[in-house]
Order: sequence, then structure tokens, then C-alpha cells
Amino acid sequence: AQSVTQPDIHITVSEGASLELRCNYSYGATPYLFWYVQSPGQGLQLLLKYFSGDTLVQGIKGFEAEFKRSQSSFNLRKPSVHWSDAAEYFCAVVGYNNNDMRFGAGTRLTVKP
Amino acid sequence: KAGVTQTPRYLIKTRGQQVTLSCSPISGHRSVSWYQQTPGQGLQFLFEYFSETQRNKGNFPGRFSGRQFSNSRSEMNVSTLELGDSALYLCASGEDSNQPQHFGDGTRLSIL
Repeated sequence: AQSVTQPDIHITVSEGASLELRCNYSYGATPYLFWYVQSPGQGLQLLLKYFSGDTLVQGIKGFEAEFKRSQSSFNLRKPSVHWSDAAEYFCAVVGYNNNDMRFGAGTRLTVKP
Repeated sequence: KAGVTQTPRYLIKTRGQQVTLSCSPISGHRSVSWYQQTPGQGLQFLFEYFSETQRNKGNFPGRFSGRQFSNSRSEMNVSTLELGDSALYLCASGEDSNQPQHFGDGTRLSIL
């Protein structure tokens, strides 16, 4: 069964520091991969997606993610975190012929001044 | 383009009642998915509709049901409400279920 794991429940970084949020997936073939962000009391907003091609994908708000097939990972990165990036981040996976997008448990990001 | 609209935003019910939540997808999107979000269980997939047909269903009891209309608007119904049904219910739409999903702000359901 497809699944996605976000090993870090909560991460705290200082403003201006770099960020990496981890995501590992389990799936028979390369699935479609997504990162979403959720601010308190709101729905999820798509940051970026990977379908195929270049394994380094750029998203909105200065985020990028790298797909590594050998590690079954799709980690999210940002070189310099801003206070407004504090939110919960979700990695998601869905198969090409699948109708069921699965989400990781989420990583809550706190940004210290 | 208007985003995904969910109504109502907040709802308070008592145990045993039933509730209907509504979702209006982005124009042109035929896939609508529903999720339940709780602090303990995270985001859990409820079901997905495409062109009025339920294509996939998550691991929820039969008290949870849904439907989709010809204009792609979707409703979700929960009968015989239990305290554990208190959650944020999110609706998402997309051109298809394996395409980027656009989420509404959710309906916060509280069961007293």
C-alpha cells in the first residue's frame, strides 16, 4: 500500500536559517509527489509538485524539493526561512492511476526571531 | 477564478444528530475529495468523487457518505454524530485526483 512518512513532527529554526523537511514514501512505482502548507485555521496550499523530469523542483515562496528515487525521498528545502513560513507542512503522494492522495502526518515548523 | 468554497465554516451539533457539509469546487474541476483532519489522526482521506461517481473511499464507517452533483458541487453527510467526529473537514478539487489539489478552508465541526 502506498504511504508517506514525515519523520519530524516539529522543527524549530531561527529566522534566516536554512530549512529541510523530510519526506519518505513507499510505493510500487514512482508516484506523483506534492508538498502542501497549512496555516492555522485554513486549508492546504500547494507549494510544489513532482510528476517526472528534473528531480529538483521549484515551488512558490522560495521553496524547492528534490526527488531521490534511490532513497524514496522528496525533501523540502528553503535556503533562508522567514517568520511567515511558520506553519504545518504536509507531503502527499498519489499514484498515476490512483484516486487516493495520501498525506504524511505533517511537520510543524516554528520560526524563532 | 474563485477558489474552493466550503459551507458552513463552523458547525456545532450534538451527539446523534446528522450534518451535511457543502463544497463548491473550482470551476472546471471534476474531481472532489474530502478529508477529515484531527490533531490525533492527521489528514485522513474520506472519499473522492469524479463526474458524480464515487471512485474511492477511505476507511470510515457507513455513517459518512457523500455525493456529487452534475455541476461538480459535492456534499458530505455524517449521520448519528459521535463525539469523535469533531474535526476539520476539508474539501479539495482538482482536474483529476492525481493532479494538484486545491483546498477549501474547511468546515470546523464540533460535537457536544
